[in-house]
Amino acid sequence: GESVGLHLPTLSVQEGDNSIINCAYSNSASDYFIWYKQESGKGPQFIIDIRSNMDKRQGQRVTVLLNKTVKHLSLQIAATQPGDSAVYFCAEKGGSGGGADGLTFGKGTHLIIQP
Amino acid sequence: GAGVSQSPSNKVTEKGKDVELRCDPISGHTALYWYRQSLGQGLEFLIYFQGNSAPDKSGLPSDRFSAERTGGSVSTLTIQRTQQEDSAVYLCASSLRRGQAKNYGYTFGSGTRLTVV
Repeated sequence: GESVGLHLPTLSVQEGDNSIINCAYSNSASDYFIWYKQESGKGPQFIIDIRSNMDKRQGQRVTVLLNKTVKHLSLQIAATQPGDSAVYFCAEKGGSGGGADGLTFGKGTHLIIQP
Repeated sequence: GAGVSQSPSNKVTEKGKDVELRCDPISGHTALYWYRQSLGQGLEFLIYFQGNSAPDKSGLPSDRFSAERTGGSVSTLTIQRTQQEDSAVYLCASSLRRGQAKNYGYTFGSGTRLTVV
C-alpha cells in the first residue's frame, strides 16, 4: 500500500501568508526525503530535500522539517506568492512504491493562493 | 536535449485500442522511469531502466503494459487493449545512475495525458 501520504488534499492560503504542507510516511527506515512542486500541465520539479540525520533544512523561502519520532515531514513556504500555486508532493527513498531503491510519492496537496 | 521530452502531450483513444507513449530522456542520463498519475492521486511507479540492465518492471499493473528502451535512450511505454481505468497522465523521468546523483537527479517530462473513451 501507500507508504507516503498527505494530511490534506487542498490547502488555501492568502497571498503573503506562510503555508505549511504536511506529509506522513510509514517506513521508519527511510533515510531521504524530497519535496516536489508540480504546476499545471508540467512534470514535478525538485524543491528541497532532507536526509534523516537532519531535522530541518532551509532553502530560499522554503523550509523542510523532519520529525522521525512521528514519521512526519512538512514543507513551509514563507510569504506565499501566486507563483506558488501548484500541487506539492513529498517523496521518500525506498518505501513500497518506487521499485528497488526508487522514490515513493505521496498523493499531493494542491496549494491555492487567495489574492 | 535540454529536458525530458514526451510525446504525444495528449492522446485520446477508444477502449480496446493499443497506444504507444514515447519518452526522450536527457542525453547522458542512464536511468529512465515511468510513472502514472491518476486524477487526484500521487505518482505510481511503473518501470525503471538502468543502462543495459534488465528493467525493474515491478510496478506494471498488468500484462497489458510493457515498455522498452532502445539503444539506452528513447523509451516507449505500450498499453494494449486500453481500458477506461488506464486514463491518467503518464510521466517519464530520467537521471544519472539512480541513487548516485545529487537530489536523486530526477528530471521529469511534462507527461502524456491519456484519455480512454
